[in-house]
Amino acid sequence: GAGVSQSPSNKVTEKGKDVELRCDPISGHTALYWYRQSLGQGLEFLIYFQGNSAPDKSGLPSDRFSAERTGGSVSTLTIQRTQQEDSAVYLCASSSGQGFQETQYFGPGTRLLVL
Amino acid sequence: GDSVTQMEGPVTLSEEAFLTINCTYTATGYPSLFWYVQYPGEGLQLLLKATKADDKGSNKGFEATYRKETTSFHLEKGSVQVSDSAVYFCALRGYNFNKFYFGSGTKLNVKP
Repeated sequence: GAGVSQSPSNKVTEKGKDVELRCDPISGHTALYWYRQSLGQGLEFLIYFQGNSAPDKSGLPSDRFSAERTGGSVSTLTIQRTQQEDSAVYLCASSSGQGFQETQYFGPGTRLLVL
Repeated sequence: GDSVTQMEGPVTLSEEAFLTINCTYTATGYPSLFWYVQYPGEGLQLLLKATKADDKGSNKGFEATYRKETTSFHLEKGSVQVSDSAVYFCALRGYNFNKFYFGSGTKLNVKP
């Protein structure tokens, strides 16, 4: 596709359940980012993938959060045993990975509500 | 650590008014600076960027100048339109090129 896509667009789950959020980056983009945007807050960095390098997981808030990227393309963010404070919009972005001037392109986000 | 601080909103202006949204940053080394915009119901999109001191980014009538001496990257537009109503985010990409740091966003409401 032409842009970054994410699915689902909305997810409602019960506290304690696991959820998986998907991101399809722009074709050919080697860098992929996950962010969390809580109501009225800025974007909180979660994790970064660059090519075949080990991901930068320094932003993951707890061990309930994990992410993988298969084949250098699609990425899945998994939240285990969800808590109400996990409710937020989860944004994915990709970029060409070719230098510090590169631009990130964002997907529309997945709005997660934990009841 | 690296961080971005931007003015709190909402900012409400009448059409054709002058806009300034303040953004200051803290960073190690020489960051790249960005403004992103999020229109209602849409994802974030890059508005403009500047990669070194004294650079001016511009797009759609918006401008921002990278001021290293004041560690600022204020967004300006001479005459806003109703269609500019959106949330604006200031961001930097710092020494650790892996990470972008975003401000909390400033909501702009432009009234006809």
